[in-house]
Amino acid sequence: EVQLVESGGGVIRPGGSLRLSCAASGFTFDDYGMSWVRQAPGKGLEWVSGINWNGGSAGYADSVKGRFTISRDNAQNSLYLQMNSLRAEDTALYHCARGKGAGGHYYYAMDAWGQGTTVTVSS
Amino acid sequence: AIQLTQSPSSLSTSVGDRVTMTCRASLGISSALAWYQQKPGKPPKLLIYDASSLESGVPSRFTGSGSGTDFTLTITSLQPEDFATYYCQQFNSYPITFGQGTRLEIK
Repeated sequence: EVQLVESGGGVIRPGGSLRLSCAASGFTFDDYGMSWVRQAPGKGLEWVSGINWNGGSAGYADSVKGRFTISRDNAQNSLYLQMNSLRAEDTALYHCARGKGAGGHYYYAMDAWGQGTTVTVSS
Repeated sequence: AIQLTQSPSSLSTSVGDRVTMTCRASLGISSALAWYQQKPGKPPKLLIYDASSLESGVPSRFTGSGSGTDFTLTITSLQPEDFATYYCQQFNSYPITFGQGTRLEIK
């Protein structure tokens, strides 16, 4: 069974940093691209960042570019999101999601999602 | 960034109804579109990819169509478990973007 389990969320003051993790199981992790997608309370979905199978290519939404860094450790079957200079508007539930197909690209539909970890940025 | 506009924003429907919702892209995206269903407190679930391909395990009452800028998701014979919010997503152009959602409500 494919499983994605996020962790690392919490309450943080504006300007602070957090590192989110996503533990993957039930599939060959390094065959797939991965993404982070967030959802602010009561709002829609926003793609945040994606990374290809070997970490050689990554992309970011304009809203987080220069502040967030995506990475992965294929030996540990894990995906990460380093979030710096956090703002109130970064408050959201953060999901990790798998890019569909074993081509290793994140730039596709997302066929497996974790339950998410909540980030609250507040003073 | 490519904008996806979904309509209607919400729809009041009944079990057994046939429902069609649309997703319009601000620029052509070929068939690089997916549809998701999201229920409260749950992550999104992939229904349709490549505009019209049914994801494994998804009931055949869900159908996607379209290419270029105009796309539709049709649900034939609505079931109680289909009342949810539906999102479209494009992956043709950077960055990946989602529509704002269409919420299906019970009439």
